[in-house]
Amino acid sequence: EIVLTQSPATLSVSPGESATLSCRASQSVGTHLAWYQQKPGQAPRLLISDASNRATDIPARFSGIGSGTDFNLTINTLEPEDFVFYFCQQRRNWPPTFGGGTMVETK
Amino acid sequence: QVRLQESGPGLVKPSQTLSLTCTVSGASINSENTYWSWIRQYPGKDLEWIGYIHYSGHTYYIPSLQGRLTISLDTSKNQFSLNLSFVTAADTAIYYCVREDGNSSGGDYWGQGIRVTVSS
Repeated sequence: EIVLTQSPATLSVSPGESATLSCRASQSVGTHLAWYQQKPGQAPRLLISDASNRATDIPARFSGIGSGTDFNLTINTLEPEDFVFYFCQQRRNWPPTFGGGTMVETK
Repeated sequence: QVRLQESGPGLVKPSQTLSLTCTVSGASINSENTYWSWIRQYPGKDLEWIGYIHYSGHTYYIPSLQGRLTISLDTSKNQFSLNLSFVTAADTAIYYCVREDGNSSGGDYWGQGIRVTVSS
C-alpha cells in the first residue's frame, strides 16, 4: 500500500498571501494524484486531478504540480474561504490511499 | 447536475450488519469507465477508501474488509449499496459514496456523507 505524507500538518498564512502544500508518496504514483478541499461539515471537494488538472469550477488560484513521488498544491492570493483542510489521494496502485491532510489556518 | 445521496441507519449495534444505499441522480450508474465507490472518514479526519463497483459488476474491496464487505448495484433504481457485516466500534465513521471517472484520478462527485456510529 502506498503511503502519502502531507506536510506541514498545519500551515499558517495571512489572507492575500500564497500557500504551498506538499504531498510525498512512498513510491512513484506517476501523475495519478488528486487534491481535495474539505470545509467543516462537508464532503471533500475535488480540486485537482492527475496532479495538475483543475476540476470543474475550481478557481485558477489553485494549481497542482508534480510527478513520481513529490507533489505540491499552491493556492495563490488566499481568500477567506480557503482556510480549511486539504487532502491528497493517489490512484496509481490499489487500494487508493489518502494523505493525512494539511490544515490551512489564518496567521 | 450529478448528485449522490447516502441513506441508511445512523446507529448500528456491534456484530450487526451496516447497510447503506447511495442514490445517484443526473448520471447513469451504467456509465462505462465509471467507478462507484465508498469512502469513510474517521472521527480524527483520516480518510479510507474501502471499495468500488463498476457497472459491469466488478468489485474491489480493501483487504482488511474482505469477507465483511459487499458492494452491489441496483440499475433499475440507479443506486448502489454497501453491506458491512459484523461491525465493531472501529467501523464508526462518516461514510461517503463517490463517483470516480476511470479516465482520471480523483472522485469528482461525492454524497454529503452519512454518520454511522457502532454502539450498543
